[in-house]
Amino acid sequence: QLQLQESGPGLVKPSETLSLTCSVSGGSISSRSYYWGWIRQPPGKGLEWIGSIYDSGSTYYNPSLKSRVTLSVDTSKNQFSLKVSSVTAADTAVYYCARHGTHLHGQFQYWGQGTLVTVSS
Amino acid sequence: SYVLTQPPSVSLAPGKTARITCGENNIGSKSVHWYQQKPGQAPVLVIYYDSDRPSGIPERFSGSNSGNTATLTISRVEAGDEADYYCQVWDSSSDHVVFGGGTTLTVL
Repeated sequence: QLQLQESGPGLVKPSETLSLTCSVSGGSISSRSYYWGWIRQPPGKGLEWIGSIYDSGSTYYNPSLKSRVTLSVDTSKNQFSLKVSSVTAADTAVYYCARHGTHLHGQFQYWGQGTLVTVSS
Repeated sequence: SYVLTQPPSVSLAPGKTARITCGENNIGSKSVHWYQQKPGQAPVLVIYYDSDRPSGIPERFSGSNSGNTATLTISRVEAGDEADYYCQVWDSSSDHVVFGGGTTLTVL
């Protein structure tokens, strides 16, 4: 069974960069051609897609976040990562990593448990 | 931009049939996926590609998609089905994933 686990600081100061890593176990991140994604959920609100990355490194971002977001993948460590720069309180959310489909119109079938990131001084 | 419209809430008695809609112009031309999220938990995929059901999801969950509306149907609703439900598509015109605003299902 594929498992995903987010890791990173739970508290980030305003204007700094939020960095999270998703570790994948139970399968290789590059064994099949899947996209891997990040989704966030502000407290009490709905789901917001941040972006998705292919195992080759090609990326797709939410247009509303594109200028501040960078996704990367490290197949040697079976991990993929998220960076959000110049964070504000509006970036406070539970951040989820998930396996996207083999196509961009596919589903998010496997999810991490989520990690709460609070932006505060 | 592509906006998926869901009713904020649906309430019904146990044993009834819940229908949660997801609307947008010509959504029938897209692939729709549905997620269930219980408080404090990560979302769980319940329907993918309009009407397919992942292993482990009860047959009571079904989906359809035509015209301007996709629908998640939950038959014989149980207390354990209480959750938020989200629809999701890929908007190929702008190359991004879109989630609906979510629907809270309450079993009275």
